Amino acid sequence: DIQMTQSPSSLSASVGDRVTITCRASQDISSYLNWYQQKPGKAPKLLIYAASSLQSGVPSRFSGSGSGTDFTLSISSLQPEDFATYYCQQSYSSPRTFGQGTRLEIK
Amino acid sequence: QVQLQESGPGLVKPSETLSLTCTVSGGSISNYYWSWIRQPPGKGLEWIGYIYTSGTTSYNPSLKSRVTMSVDSSKSQFSLNLSSVTAADTAVYYCARSKTIFGVVGVFDCWGQGTLVTVSS
Repeated sequence: DIQMTQSPSSLSASVGDRVTITCRASQDISSYLNWYQQKPGKAPKLLIYAASSLQSGVPSRFSGSGSGTDFTLSISSLQPEDFATYYCQQSYSSPRTFGQGTRLEIK
Repeated sequence: QVQLQESGPGLVKPSETLSLTCTVSGGSISNYYWSWIRQPPGKGLEWIGYIYTSGTTSYNPSLKSRVTMSVDSSKSQFSLNLSSVTAADTAVYYCARSKTIFGVVGVFDCWGQGTLVTVSS
């Protein structure tokens, strides 16, 4: 199985900050990397697919980059509704695997 | 706007079979891959497997011996059976639609709200 490792595991930031979350794959996954946002008690929501493509309806302050084994999710100017847990996920091979999550908290 | 809704028992006894159904509304079930994903309380996400509307399946090897998925296109439903459950199978179970990108299945673009299944006697 491909292991996905996110860093940091948790992060405190303020409204208006720019934040970056990193995801590393245990082997080359090309650009088959997706990002999700999950709020407490809710299902995950797709933000970014294929490493850098913004899902329809997702605000442009979210962006993704990377290829191979190293990827980043950036939020350019944090809004109150962005405080949530973020997961990366590889769709390169089976089984599909997720990172352990990054919890983004209000400072 | 496609919507997914999970249904099934919220409590299952150890060694029995967990059975869930996902109903798709607001869009076609045809020509898509449909997945089940679970999340133990306070933990991360685990992909269980997917099924195509033709009946083709792919399961997570860690669960493959216990998982069966099926689809009923006439009812716009697909289902999950997980046999011989233990407390470790206690989780919120999500159904999700899988988008195909560059010919590869596995981007989950639409999710049900999730249903908590507890395994306990």
